[in-house]
Amino acid sequence: DAGITQSPRYKITETGRQVTLMCHQTWSHSYMFWYRQDLGHGLRLIYYSAAADITDKGEVPDGYVVSRSKTENFPLTLESATRSQTSVYFCATDSGRARAEQYFGPGTRLTVT
Amino acid sequence: AQSVTQLDSHVSVSEGTPVLLRCNYSSSYSPSLFWYVQHPNKGLQLLLKYTSAATLVKGINGFEAEFKKSETSFHLTKPSAHMSDAAEYFCVVSLRDDKIIFGKGTRLHILP
Repeated sequence: DAGITQSPRYKITETGRQVTLMCHQTWSHSYMFWYRQDLGHGLRLIYYSAAADITDKGEVPDGYVVSRSKTENFPLTLESATRSQTSVYFCATDSGRARAEQYFGPGTRLTVT
Repeated sequence: AQSVTQLDSHVSVSEGTPVLLRCNYSSSYSPSLFWYVQHPNKGLQLLLKYTSAATLVKGINGFEAEFKKSETSFHLTKPSAHMSDAAEYFCVVSLRDDKIIFGKGTRLHILP
């Protein structure tokens, strides 16, 4: 019972490259979220999804693209990576009881050189 | 405007002594409040939550928090710190429109 998984856990890429971070959950939770965590900024919401084929922007969506064709997957794509996108990215799901009662994945540490 | 403020970015306590992590919120109504913990290189884990029932909320690992409306506070406490409590702690506010606001975090250091 893995719950929520993210892959890869670590990624180094070059400026301008496209990168996709994967998130998979086994609970069938309807809501899924992508956050980035940076020193001094805490967690910032990038995108979220209320259900399959429904996505919406969060606080810092520029430079990112998401899709949700299946309930269990919520990939995050950086179309043309920039150094400012070096960060730790967390995927989370919502149990449905309350928006803030979320379950987080282990994170992906992305470095853009 | 709705907001959440964690008053200390770092807190250091000796093992076996009490822990106090402070959180204040700003809201025009009683929000739902949460504390999360993040251990190094891990995702966030829910510690406890307040959703307008009892004002004193007990969580996992001996932590508890008290909702004080008059002070707009939701401070996290533990009577006796353990080395395994060393982590970063986030206070989170959930608003009526389902918007969530994360505090900037407080890093707890436990001294031997």
